[in-house]
Amino acid sequence: DGGITQSPKYLFRKEGQNVTLSCEQNLNHDAMYWYRQDPGQGLRLIYYSQIVNDFQKGDIAEGYSVSREKKESFPLTVTSAQKNPTAFYLCASSMRSGNGYTFGSGTRLTVV
Amino acid sequence: AQSVTQPDIHITVSEGASLELRCNYSYGATPYLFWYVQSPGQGLQLLLKYFSGDTLVQGIKGFEAEFKRSQSSFNLRKPSVHWSDAAEYFCAVGGVNDYKLSFGAGTTVTVRA
Repeated sequence: DGGITQSPKYLFRKEGQNVTLSCEQNLNHDAMYWYRQDPGQGLRLIYYSQIVNDFQKGDIAEGYSVSREKKESFPLTVTSAQKNPTAFYLCASSMRSGNGYTFGSGTRLTVV
Repeated sequence: AQSVTQPDIHITVSEGASLELRCNYSYGATPYLFWYVQSPGQGLQLLLKYFSGDTLVQGIKGFEAEFKRSQSSFNLRKPSVHWSDAAEYFCAVGGVNDYKLSFGAGTTVTVRA
């Protein structure tokens, strides 16, 4: 079955360490997105990519980086520059036709 | 600029009662509209979507939504709520030339026995 896979589901890191969250899709979707979700704050867009080797900053890109070397993969690195990285991170993908997003099941990152 | 407003942050409803969640949008062209549901600690699941045609759309889990262009609204309804409907619900808007969606802040639904 086609879908979008985020791993790991839970991630713990020490403050000051970079950490990379994985997102893979086999839906042949063109676009991929990363959102951050905090309690009571809805979804905030971090980065998105509409095509391989190209990506754009979202509303809260500071302290994050991404790459899009393959159509299927859109990893997110949370760097030590991110002041408050503990959050729930959601990856999504879509076709260009505006058919809506398919979401992964999320990664909960806790920085201690 | 596109935007979505969900006026209700939290709604509590009794099991078996009807549910209506409000969504107002702002979009400069013909909108594509979506409702998603999120259970705690999970990703978002698509409930239903509206692109064109019949303004009353049916979705999964017994939900329906009505598009009202004159009111810029896309409210979600369910005639009889089940305890499993307790979740957070997000409305989103996009378009044929802009497939990046804008999401509302979400409405949390609590179902009491």
